[in-house]
Amino acid sequence: SYVLTQPPSVSVAPGKTARITCGGNNIGSKSVHWYQQRPSQAPVLVIYYDNDRPSGIPERFSGSSSGNTATLTISRVEAGDEADYYCQVWDSSSDQGVFGGGTKLTVL
Amino acid sequence: EVQLLEFGGGLVQPGGSLRLSCAASGFSFNSFAMSWVRQAPGKGLEWVSAIIGGGGSTYYADSVKGRFTISRDNSKNTLYLQMHSLRAEDTAIYYCGKDSGSFPYDAFDIWGQGTMVTVSS
Repeated sequence: SYVLTQPPSVSVAPGKTARITCGGNNIGSKSVHWYQQRPSQAPVLVIYYDNDRPSGIPERFSGSSSGNTATLTISRVEAGDEADYYCQVWDSSSDQGVFGGGTKLTVL
Repeated sequence: EVQLLEFGGGLVQPGGSLRLSCAASGFSFNSFAMSWVRQAPGKGLEWVSAIIGGGGSTYYADSVKGRFTISRDNSKNTLYLQMHSLRAEDTAIYYCGKDSGSFPYDAFDIWGQGTMVTVSS
């Protein structure tokens, strides 16, 4: 089955740029979606189709994907961005959804 | 307002059964695929199952295949997850999610608040 690999944690100072990676075999050929989950809350979609933002998501959130790595970039990080972030794809070879293990973003 | 509301969670013994429901409102329910995603305590998100807008095709994670059945009643704007032969490892918050398209390979743009399922004797 298809596997997505994320770093367990990323730390960044306020105002700096956070980059969260998501590794998968030829992930650049798939559509990657990213979700933010704050403690005790349901996930929220922040990036879809690699680099599209739903309405209401700040422009500070962006995404990219190429080769074996997709990246969620959060510019000018704020304290409110502290959360768990998950990447997700649809694996058409198995017809199953797949989530990465999640990355905890800590704002120092 | 687009909203998903899950029902039916609770405590069940190993080997038991439970049916979850997800009531949808604020959008054309039969036009969108729907999915179930779960999260074990302290763990990450795990995709469980999906069903296309018309209900004709269903998809399952290997961990639940043969034990869980996803279905939908488009006349009632409701999604279901029938769970049988429950195991301790099925203990989790179960979220229903609306796909942004009619097939499940799109993003989940709306999530419910989740319902807790605990499998324990």
